[in-house]
Amino acid sequence: NAGVMQNPRHLVRRRGQEARLRCSPMKGHSHVYWYRQLPEEGLKFMVYLQKENIIDESGMPKERFSAEFPKEGPSILRIQQVVRGDSAAYFCASSPRDIHNEQFFGPGTRLTVL
Amino acid sequence: DQQVKQNSPSLSVQEGRISILNCDYTNSMFDYFLWYKKYPAEGPTFLISISSIKDKNEDGRFTVFLNKSAKHLSLHIVPSQPGDSAVYFCAASAPGTYKYIFGTGTRLKVLA
Repeated sequence: NAGVMQNPRHLVRRRGQEARLRCSPMKGHSHVYWYRQLPEEGLKFMVYLQKENIIDESGMPKERFSAEFPKEGPSILRIQQVVRGDSAAYFCASSPRDIHNEQFFGPGTRLTVL
Repeated sequence: DQQVKQNSPSLSVQEGRISILNCDYTNSMFDYFLWYKKYPAEGPTFLISISSIKDKNEDGRFTVFLNKSAKHLSLHIVPSQPGDSAVYFCAASAPGTYKYIFGTGTRLKVLA
């Protein structure tokens, strides 16, 4: 019974490149959430998706960031033209339902922008 | 505007003693609270939760207390074990929402 899978675990990009982070939710979970953790801070909500739908992206920066959760395949968090301030740990979580359910977190992707 | 605050960045406790981690919140609409534990290079792991209709929830060595009037919750770990050494995050959500608002974490170190 695999947990939430994220890959890659570590990603290094140069300024201006694109970063793609993948998340496969737990089996049976149709709700996916992305959080970002900057150094010495807590996790900050970015976006909530269900299959083929973005439900809430209120935590996403207005530019360069996008997310999807296609009918088939993992959820993808995409960051275009990365800058040094994007360096952080990005965590994906999934739950079987949305409200008042424990969200199960993946191991995270640590993005480093040179 | 930090709606969930963990004012102690770190805590050291002797093995076998009680660890008490505190969390304060400002949004009176929050009705569901959770504690997560996080080891380095891993994702947060769910520990225990509490709904606002309760003031206490217990699971083995872990107990969460909620004081709604003070907008304060605490996690008690007793007895503390070296394997409990980790960063602990409290999180909260409001009715009808799914977003967790996380505190900044408290690093617990249990000394053998």
